[in-house]
Amino acid sequence: EAGVTQFPSHSVIEKGQTVTLRCDPISGHDNLYWYRRVMGKEIKFLLHFVKESKQDESGMPNNRFLAERTGGTYSTLKVQPAELEDSGVYFCASSQVHYGYTFGSGTRLTVV
Amino acid sequence: EDKVVQSPLSLVVHEGDTVTLNCSYEVTNFRSLLWYKQEKKAPTFLFMLTSSGIEKKSGRLSSILDKKELFSILNITATQTGDSAVYLCAVLMEYGNKLVFGAGTILRVKS
Repeated sequence: EAGVTQFPSHSVIEKGQTVTLRCDPISGHDNLYWYRRVMGKEIKFLLHFVKESKQDESGMPNNRFLAERTGGTYSTLKVQPAELEDSGVYFCASSQVHYGYTFGSGTRLTVV
Repeated sequence: EDKVVQSPLSLVVHEGDTVTLNCSYEVTNFRSLLWYKQEKKAPTFLFMLTSSGIEKKSGRLSSILDKKELFSILNITATQTGDSAVYLCAVLMEYGNKLVFGAGTILRVKS
């Protein structure tokens, strides 16, 4: 079984630019989650999709962040425009049951 | 606010030592507590604990949950250099399936 795939693995962009992160969950997993770890802090929840619907987006920091999940398959997280404080590692996870989270390797985003 | 606190923040031990990592929590609606090991990339699942007092074991690793005192411990016996990693504790919330993470414990095992 292929795992959760995220790309790019690293991205360095300038403040004000746009970046789109992508996550391919494990095939058949209805639940998809985005989390973020900012330097020196805990991993924090951003949002949760069930199929193509946003179940919970309470962790999204502001309206510069837009997440989509096309047809209930892969998901994208767009940051526009990026700010310095958006730097961190963005993790995606998927599950079919409540607790069976599998995490991706993360995308390290650096905004300069 | 929901909170998970891990201690120590970092730890250096020698191969063969036994370590105990701590995790305490204060959350509004608890379902389970999970432990993950993170080496270079993705956190990998170790244990999920839902009931108090039942020890879960996997090789040299074991973990137990105390729901009255709101904490969990992760024990690693006979540590090896391959145990060096960040160990993450997270609480799975009852509603919404979201995980609340602690900051992690950085473990370094010296040969």
